[in-house]
Amino acid sequence: GENVEQHPSTLSVQEGDSAVIKCTYSDSASNYFPWYKQELGKRPQLIIDIRSNVGEKKDQRIAVTLNKTAKHFSLHITETQPEDSAVYFCAAGGSYIPTFGRGTSLIVHP
Amino acid sequence: NAGVMQNPRHLVRRRGQEARLRCSPMKGHSHVYWYRQLPEEGLKFMVYLQKENIIDESGMPKERFSAEFPKEGPSILRIQQVVRGDSAAYFCASSPPSSTRHEKLFFGSGTQLSVL
Repeated sequence: GENVEQHPSTLSVQEGDSAVIKCTYSDSASNYFPWYKQELGKRPQLIIDIRSNVGEKKDQRIAVTLNKTAKHFSLHITETQPEDSAVYFCAAGGSYIPTFGRGTSLIVHP
Repeated sequence: NAGVMQNPRHLVRRRGQEARLRCSPMKGHSHVYWYRQLPEEGLKFMVYLQKENIIDESGMPKERFSAEFPKEGPSILRIQQVVRGDSAAYFCASSPPSSTRHEKLFFGSGTQLSVL
């Protein structure tokens, strides 16, 4: 089955800095890569996703990049704000049921 | 358009009791997924259902756990004879009808199960 590794487990940045979270996957058949944000005590919410026919996708301050050859994908958050503090999960799937990474706890210090 | 509804939000059970967790998918969604989340861990897949069918239960423990999604009513995740290790947050998600793709999962607020 699919195996998704996510790093780092914790990321601490100053407000205004950029944050990068990286994930790798094992199954080359995976072709859909969503990212979820989970605030403390709340539901995971889809914030951005990318399909394997695209190398990069942007939505305001967040962007995702995908390297199919290397089987890794990353989430980039620019100009971080305190409200970006949350746990972020990557996942890999598409034709298969999504497998999630273990999550990255992002802390943005004012 | 109401989101995915889960209840109860919090459930406390003593060891040996039964836990029943309910999930109503978003309107128009016919696929339901159950995930379990333990502290410091990601979301672990348990079971995937469509109306009246269990499609994939590869992540579900073989004993004590069962799930259903009847023609009418919510999906139910049932845990019999709960043990302390069952304490976790259980999330339900739904996705739009599609014959081949598991995309754009919308999650409920979860049920936090605590076993005393």
